[in-house]
Amino acid sequence: AQSVTQLDSQVPVFEEAPVELRCNYSSSVSVYLFWYVQYPNQGLQLLLKYLSGSTLVKGINGFEAEFNKSQTSFHLRKPSVHISDTAEYFCAVIMNTGFQKLVFGTGTRLLVSP
Amino acid sequence: SQTIHQWPATLVQPVGSPLSLECTVEGTSNPNLYWYRQAAGRGLQLLFYSVGIGQISSEVPQNLSASRPQDRQFILSSKKLLLSDSGFYLCAWSASTSRTDTQYFGPGTRLTVL
Repeated sequence: AQSVTQLDSQVPVFEEAPVELRCNYSSSVSVYLFWYVQYPNQGLQLLLKYLSGSTLVKGINGFEAEFNKSQTSFHLRKPSVHISDTAEYFCAVIMNTGFQKLVFGTGTRLLVSP
Repeated sequence: SQTIHQWPATLVQPVGSPLSLECTVEGTSNPNLYWYRQAAGRGLQLLFYSVGIGQISSEVPQNLSASRPQDRQFILSSKKLLLSDSGFYLCAWSASTSRTDTQYFGPGTRLTVL
């Protein structure tokens, strides 16, 4: 079975600093990869997804992620964060076989301070 | 455009009471529908999914059940709530069974069982 690991439960950064949120996955088959963002007391919103092709994926709000098959990673990055980026970020995978079932990591809380 | 609604937004229920959470989708037909639960520090766990009216698949054996009485309506129920049922419940939909289709999430229902 596949699994997703987000090692950092919380990442504090200052405004305008760069940030990287780490995501590693394990799966015996190929996967599709997703990053979602959740603002307080709201549902999840898709930031970006990797399906195939270029390993560098650009998403909304200036975020990007790079798929690294050899390291089974899909880290999320932003070169300069804003206060409004404070939220919980979830990495998720879907196996390239079987039903469309998202498996989520436990999430990383990004705290941006002035 | 498509929208997804959940109600109620918040709910406080005593242990042993029944539960009914509703999710409806507008602007699409024959969507896949999902119920997730988000417990503190545990990410999102898929509870149920449905590919059509009356078709429910359960991912985790538990105190909850789901039903899909209409194409765009998904209901999560319990006959007797447990303390462990507390959490943030999210409904989601996707356009088809393609694994590359994005799942779109509703605003969620925060359930507190006392």
